[in-house]
Amino acid sequence: SAVISQKPSRDICQRGTSLTIQCQVDSQVTMMFWYRQQPGQSLTLIATANQGSEATYESGFVIDKFPISRPNLTFSTLTVSNMSPEDSSIYLCSVVGGNEERAFFGQGTRLTVV
Amino acid sequence: GENVEQHPSTLSVQEGDSAVIKCTYSDSASNYFPWYKQELGKRPQLIIDIRSNVGEKKDQRIAVTLNKTAKHFSLHITETQPEDSAVYFCAARLSQFYFGTGTSLTVIP
Repeated sequence: SAVISQKPSRDICQRGTSLTIQCQVDSQVTMMFWYRQQPGQSLTLIATANQGSEATYESGFVIDKFPISRPNLTFSTLTVSNMSPEDSSIYLCSVVGGNEERAFFGQGTRLTVV
Repeated sequence: GENVEQHPSTLSVQEGDSAVIKCTYSDSASNYFPWYKQELGKRPQLIIDIRSNVGEKKDQRIAVTLNKTAKHFSLHITETQPEDSAVYFCAARLSQFYFGTGTSLTVIP
């Protein structure tokens, strides 16, 4: 399986600011996803990061709030913009490898907005 | 889109007993069904998966069964151990993954 490095692992941010989360994979992957996980809850898909084009967002998530970049097949970023306390959550990147169906997760970013 | 339901939400078993978690899905086009284990404060870890052309798969104490006609699949853990305590998520895949709501499993020593 791919080795996924996600950072930062945690951060405490002031409301109104933005945080960019990075996801780096040690091999080229076909698909990269960004999820949000509230404490004790399931994984909610924010968007699919598309290499070289705009991300595909799920209902309830918009590009202005969660801009995503994917400049190549091994790297993606998720920005949480103009943060409010409601954005406090764990954010996870997930990847699917070239010839695989299996999805693997980064270690997550625990975000607290104060 | 796909809708995945998972039951039960919590499950407590005595060490050595079996645990069964069930999921249903709505879209018959879903063709891949993984199970993840998530320990507190850690990332979800893939523990077993099954493709739509297979009815059952086993890996040591863990097995997954799939009934395509009924659109449901189940995770079976035998001879449970305290280290099996975690939250388990099922998922169904079309182009993306749709996750169940999770089952918190507690194995009582």
